[in-house]
Amino acid sequence: AQRVTQPEKLLSVFKGAPVELKCNYSYSGSPELFWYVQYSRQRLQLLLRHISRESIKGFTADLNKGETSFHLKKPFAQEEDSAMYYCALRDRDDKIIFGKGTRLHILP
Amino acid sequence: GAGVSQSPSNKVTEKGKDVELRCDPISGHTALYWYRQSLGQGLEFLIYFQGNSAPDKSGLPSDRFSAERTGGSVSTLTIQRTQQEDSAVYLCASSLVLADSYNEQFFGPGTRLTVL
Repeated sequence: AQRVTQPEKLLSVFKGAPVELKCNYSYSGSPELFWYVQYSRQRLQLLLRHISRESIKGFTADLNKGETSFHLKKPFAQEEDSAMYYCALRDRDDKIIFGKGTRLHILP
Repeated sequence: GAGVSQSPSNKVTEKGKDVELRCDPISGHTALYWYRQSLGQGLEFLIYFQGNSAPDKSGLPSDRFSAERTGGSVSTLTIQRTQQEDSAVYLCASSLVLADSYNEQFFGPGTRLTVL
């Protein structure tokens, strides 16, 4: 069964420290993976997608098929990065399956 | 260029009552999705529409839940005989076509449902 696992419910990181939000997936075939973010009192929005291999707001995510992971990374955390982050997978039936989310809290 | 809108923003109802939640997608978006966001449970997929048809209804939690979409636009999610465990934020999203690596989902603000 297709599944997205985010092992950390809460991650607290000091400002300026590196950030890594973990995401592991279960999927047979070539997955399409995304990271979504929800800032306080804002709508859920797409942060980045693996196909684009882009860096958004300093965040990057590399698909590692061997480890079935798509961890989200940023070298230097900023206070405005505090938010809820969701890893997501598009399955072959076109459903988007989300993980349970990780709340990132940047400490001053 | 309004985004996805949902109404009502908040709904408080008594156990056993029926509720209807509405989603207005972005104009021209053919795909529409419903999710449920519960505390500690993340985002749970409920159903999606491609045009007016819903190919997969298996995400609906029970037969008390139903959804429809007419005219390829507005969608309503109906919960009959609400239970306390139905309390959650119900999110709607739309995309130009089925959301894939190239087509982004745009989310609405959600409807917070509280069942007393």
